[in-house]
Amino acid sequence: DADVTQTPRNRITKTGKRIMLECSQTKGHDRMYWYRQDPGLGLRLIYYSFDVKDINKGEISDGYSVSRQAQAKFSLSLESAIPNQTALYFCATKSQAYNEQFFGPGTRLTVL
Amino acid sequence: KNQVEQSPQSLIILEGKNCTLQCNYTVSPFSNLRWYKQDTGRGPVSLTIMTFSENTKSNGRYTATLDADTKQSSLHITASQLSDSASYICVVSAWPYKYIFGTGTRLKVLA
Repeated sequence: DADVTQTPRNRITKTGKRIMLECSQTKGHDRMYWYRQDPGLGLRLIYYSFDVKDINKGEISDGYSVSRQAQAKFSLSLESAIPNQTALYFCATKSQAYNEQFFGPGTRLTVL
Repeated sequence: KNQVEQSPQSLIILEGKNCTLQCNYTVSPFSNLRWYKQDTGRGPVSLTIMTFSENTKSNGRYTATLDADTKQSSLHITASQLSDSASYICVVSAWPYKYIFGTGTRLKVLA
């Protein structure tokens, strides 16, 4: 969905490096989410935010941090990447009024 | 424990044929159930959403059913097309804001 963009789309990095994944949206939604997808597993929630400066942990937040400095932007950081963080990462947005999440195109992250 | 299980894991059908994908869930308190289509390398896109009181919902060639008593849902695809090749993900929303994702069914439509 072009309304939700993620950068970069692909990233290869080494163990111990700091990585930031960016998500931007033009849908005007207040709620934003970060998920990771691994083969054979459903999407799992890392962090979510209901508004600027609001941060909430999901089910697998260890090793990750996020920042929501503006309504349209939600960034995910890996302070010290490790190989088991190799995955497909999705950002999603949702309005408070309507119960549907809109997903970005994903970022494929490989940690060597 | 909130869980969503989908079957089959993968499915291969010929173009023009119909198919049905299954989703069983144990999620409480139930809010709604949504089916997503995820093309390879892309984010999931919503196909249908159903609340507790709805038992069928159509979107073109896609028809979803929900049996809230047995906690089962199905997604029926009619007259499949090559472009239907994708993963189909069942997502159950637990009130107030938790989403539980199934692992998906990978569908391959062959010419």
